[in-house]
Amino acid sequence: GEDVEQSLFLSVREGDSSVINCTYTDSSSTYLYWYKQEPGAGLQLLTYIFSNMDMKQDQRLTVLLNKKDKHLSLRIADTQTGDSAIYFCAERKAAGNKLTFGGGTRVLVKP
Amino acid sequence: DTEVTQTPKHLVMGMTNKKSLKCEQHMGHRAMYWYKQKAKKPPELMFVYSYEKLSINESVPSRFSPECPNSSLLNLHLHALQPEDSALYLCASSPGREYTGELFFGEGSRLTVL
Repeated sequence: GEDVEQSLFLSVREGDSSVINCTYTDSSSTYLYWYKQEPGAGLQLLTYIFSNMDMKQDQRLTVLLNKKDKHLSLRIADTQTGDSAIYFCAERKAAGNKLTFGGGTRVLVKP
Repeated sequence: DTEVTQTPKHLVMGMTNKKSLKCEQHMGHRAMYWYKQKAKKPPELMFVYSYEKLSINESVPSRFSPECPNSSLLNLHLHALQPEDSALYLCASSPGREYTGELFFGEGSRLTVL
């Protein structure tokens, strides 16, 4: 199966919170990342978390990491229409140190 | 300057053509990457250059030929491509050593092979 899995789609109303989930399989992952891709554009790094942390907050973004369950989430507070994009989680494994992307979650923010 | 610039933004080529994609960054990054992204899929790593030397080739067909003339430039030479090579080609760079996940991406070059 896939190393990093995400749900395909999330619809949210403007002003609500969005939660995007990701599961990974490799317990030796050192860093986990969230990237955003807007239509027709490249990927933009939003935030990352080191594997010895449980939570990281950066303005409207909150990353939660459950190492036991190998589950990563990204919460976007007060979601805006400009947050509509595809969000990719990615893991960096200790062995090989390569970045593995999940399949991406398309987030649609409705006014 | 915190940008990775890719040219051209769009490219249409026949299967017998030779073309090149170009990527430039002036952030002083010493690792540069080529990724291929098909529609509705995540990016797939193709090549990594570290300190201007090719360090990773993900078993990419030889019809794709990377080149790193200096630490700011990365090219991808294309020859005898197939229609299934049509995709968005993304260049990225990272500071310090290679393999970091903190990648700075360009906007991509959208390639169509007829």
